[in-house]
Amino acid sequence: AQSVTQLDSQVPVFEEAPVELRCNYSSSVSVYLFWYVQYPNQGLQLLLKYLSGSTLVKGINGFEAEFNKSQTSFHLRKPSVHISDTAEYFCAVSESGSQGNLIFGKGTKLSVKP
Amino acid sequence: GAVVSQHPSRVICKSGTSVKIECRSLDFQATTMFWYRQFPKQSLMLMATSNEGSKATYEQGVEKDKFLINHASLTLSTLTVTSAHPEDSSFYICSARQGSSTDTQYFGPGTRLTVL
Repeated sequence: AQSVTQLDSQVPVFEEAPVELRCNYSSSVSVYLFWYVQYPNQGLQLLLKYLSGSTLVKGINGFEAEFNKSQTSFHLRKPSVHISDTAEYFCAVSESGSQGNLIFGKGTKLSVKP
Repeated sequence: GAVVSQHPSRVICKSGTSVKIECRSLDFQATTMFWYRQFPKQSLMLMATSNEGSKATYEQGVEKDKFLINHASLTLSTLTVTSAHPEDSSFYICSARQGSSTDTQYFGPGTRLTVL
């Protein structure tokens, strides 16, 4: 069975500082990996996804993530955050060859302070 | 971008009654729709997957007779919580996908259900 662990439930950071949100997964088969963002009172929005190919994936709003198969990680990074990046971030995995059902981590609340 | 709506956004009902939640893909045809449940400070838990015109596939532990899912058209899926009880109070979220399993799932804003 697959599982996703987001090691930090909350990450406070100052504006213009870099940030890394950690995500580790467990699976016995090859997977696809996703990061979603949820702004207050809104639905989840896809930031980026890894299906195959280059392990460094660039997404919207200046975010990027790197797939590390040996460490079973897919950490999300941004070199300089803005106040508007304050939101809940969810890492998710789906099994390649499946219907595409997503297994989510518990989420990381990113709070950007001025 | 693709938009998915849910209605209602909030609903309060009495114990024992049934509640229907609608999920619509507004600008694309969704061959597959998913229903999730989210408890406070918890992750989204997949409840069921539905393909248009077929019966939904429920995840282990989800009672299919309690959570009725209908995906009658390519733009509409409904979740009916039957004989609701306080423990069914939660945040229900749907998502919709247009094509294959690698296509993006687009999420609705969610429905907050409170059962008194």
